[in-house]
Amino acid sequence: EIVLTQSPATLSLSPGERATLSCRTSQSVDSYLAWYQQKPGQAPRLLIYDASNRATGIPARFSGSGSGTDFTLTISSLEPEDFAVYYCQQRSNWLTFGGGTKVEIK
Amino acid sequence: QLQLQESGPGLVKPSETLSLTCTVSGGSISSDTSYWGWVRQPPGKGLEWIGSRHYSGSTAYNPSLTNRVTVSVDTSKTQFSLKLRFVTAADTAIYYCARLGYCSSASCYVSNWGQGALVTVSS
Repeated sequence: EIVLTQSPATLSLSPGERATLSCRTSQSVDSYLAWYQQKPGQAPRLLIYDASNRATGIPARFSGSGSGTDFTLTISSLEPEDFAVYYCQQRSNWLTFGGGTKVEIK
Repeated sequence: QLQLQESGPGLVKPSETLSLTCTVSGGSISSDTSYWGWVRQPPGKGLEWIGSRHYSGSTAYNPSLTNRVTVSVDTSKTQFSLKLRFVTAADTAIYYCARLGYCSSASCYVSNWGQGALVTVSS
C-alpha cells in the first residue's frame, strides 16, 4: 500500500495570505496525484488531478506541482471560502488518501 | 449535471451486513470512462477508498476490505450498491458513493461525490 503523508496537520493563515500544503508518498506515484477540498458537513470536491491540472470550475488561485514522491498544493491568496480540510490522493496503485491538512483562520 | 444519492439503513448491528444503494441521475452509468464506487470517512477522521466497479464488470477493492465487500452495478436501474459483511463498530462512518474518472484500469480519481450517508454499527 502506498502511504501518503500530509504536512502540516494544521495551517493557520489570514485571508489574502499564500498557503502551501505538502503531500509526500511512500513510493513514486509519477504524477498520479489529486487534491480535494472538504468543508464541514460536505463531501470532498476534486481540485487538482494528475498533480497539476485544475478540475472543472476550480479557480486559478489553486495550483498543484510535483512528481515522484513530493507534491505541493498552493493557494495563492486565501479567500474566506478556502478555509477547509485538504486531502491528497494517489491513483498509481489502487487509491489511497493522505491524512489531511486543515487550513484555519488565524 | 451528474448527481449521486445514497440510500439505506443508518443503523446496522454488529456481525450483520451493511447495504447501501446509490442512484445516479444526470449522467450515464454505462460510461466507458467511469467507475462507480464507495469511499468512507469515520466521524472526524480521514478518507478511505472501499471499492469500485465498471459497468462492464471490472472491479477493484481495497485490499484491507476485499474479503468483506461487494460493489455491484445495475444499469437497468442506474444504480450501484455496496455490501459490507460482518461489520463491527470500526465500520461506523459516513459512506460516500462516487463516480470515479481519469482512470488507468481501476485506479482513478473521485470526480463526483454523493452527499454521504452516516451508518452506525451498534447493537
